[in-house]
Amino acid sequence: KNEVEQSPQNLTAQEGEFITINCSYSVGISALHWLQQHPGGGIVSLFMLSSGKKKHGRLIATINIQEKHSSLHITASHPRDSAVYICAVMEYGNKLVFGAGTILRVKS
Amino acid sequence: NAGVMQNPRHLVRRRGQEARLRCSPMKGHSHVYWYRQLPEEGLKFMVYLQKENIIDESGMPKERFSAEFPKEGPSILRIQQVVRGDSAAYFCASSPGSGNQPQHFGDGTRLSIL
Repeated sequence: KNEVEQSPQNLTAQEGEFITINCSYSVGISALHWLQQHPGGGIVSLFMLSSGKKKHGRLIATINIQEKHSSLHITASHPRDSAVYICAVMEYGNKLVFGAGTILRVKS
Repeated sequence: NAGVMQNPRHLVRRRGQEARLRCSPMKGHSHVYWYRQLPEEGLKFMVYLQKENIIDESGMPKERFSAEFPKEGPSILRIQQVVRGDSAAYFCASSPGSGNQPQHFGDGTRLSIL
């Protein structure tokens, strides 16, 4: 079993839909990252959080430390949100352990 | 742009040659991390360095791979005698310090082995 599990693996949505991507982990962590990667492109850090909830524009990230679970929400989705979204947990010692990623496609 | 700079963006090598990948961290960042993304696989940690020190190299293959972060200049990931299986995207990230610090990623180097 992977230390970091993401669901779904693939997600297709219509423009304007509310999107949720889930991440569960099995190890002790000091923080959790949500990352975005466009095809053939670099990696952008969207959020780093260790408790509660963070919001940036149309993106919201939540984490429940007791349940070892985090969610990334995208409100009013747009085709430019199409990308791979990756959950990564920071183990003690700064090392990141990554989920397999969720491939999101938003159709217009 | 004061972000993490990686070069080259694309690197092609023949089997048996050496590959050198460079990473200049963000200004003010003294911690560098290297990650590898094999085709159709997720990202995996390779090595964590501070200036002139390797902090954690638990993800580095035991042979042919080495990394350094000298007092002056970029961090270098060096792969000797490359093989086809080394073809991957190599990403560098940096942070200002240890502890709960966000890591900022570069655009990666795509290494192709002929």
